[in-house]
Amino acid sequence: GAGVSQSPSNKVTEKGKDVELRCDPISGHTALYWYRQSLGQGLEFLIYFQGNSAPDKSGLPSDRFSAERTGGSVSTLTIQRTQQEDSAVYLCASSSQTELRTGELFFGEGSRLTVL
Amino acid sequence: GDSVTQMEGPVTLSEEAFLTINCTYTATGYPSLFWYVQYPGEGLQLLLKATKADDKGSNKGFEATYRKETTSFHLEKGSVQVSDSAVYFCALPISGSARQLTFGSGTQLTVLP
Repeated sequence: GAGVSQSPSNKVTEKGKDVELRCDPISGHTALYWYRQSLGQGLEFLIYFQGNSAPDKSGLPSDRFSAERTGGSVSTLTIQRTQQEDSAVYLCASSSQTELRTGELFFGEGSRLTVL
Repeated sequence: GDSVTQMEGPVTLSEEAFLTINCTYTATGYPSLFWYVQYPGEGLQLLLKATKADDKGSNKGFEATYRKETTSFHLEKGSVQVSDSAVYFCALPISGSARQLTFGSGTQLTVLP
């Protein structure tokens, strides 16, 4: 498809398990972002990839969270030893421009994670 | 730090009513300002933007004016429709990090027929 694709759309897991969330950005977009949306909260920035540059990991809440982007395209967000407070919707976005001043982000529909 | 504050929701209106969703910001300088919308079951999408003070962004009948005097970027629509029911987010780039957007907490709008 032409948009940002995320999978799975829903994931229920048990506390302590590891999960992987996948994002397939729009073809040709060099910038890729992960955000987290908790119930009643705004979007929390997690990590940003731009081309071959080192990712901006400043938003990752703990060392249980990691992300990679292979070949400058698909990205995987991994949460190890999940906790109940990790329950949220994880949003991926991509952009064709490095400067947000005139650009925009294109979001996927999100992956809803529930940790029991 | 840079941030946006949105009016708390949820907001429920009848069709054809006037809509205002307040957004104020705290930022260094004069960043671009954005409104994003999230329709049920869909990802966020850019609704409108303004890149400098006094600019007015507009799209789909929605408008927002960048007012530096009041550090505001309120979203307005003169006559809402049922199809406008969605969550609306105000956003701006974080100072010193042009690649990061900070978002407000979102305002849920429900329009009744």
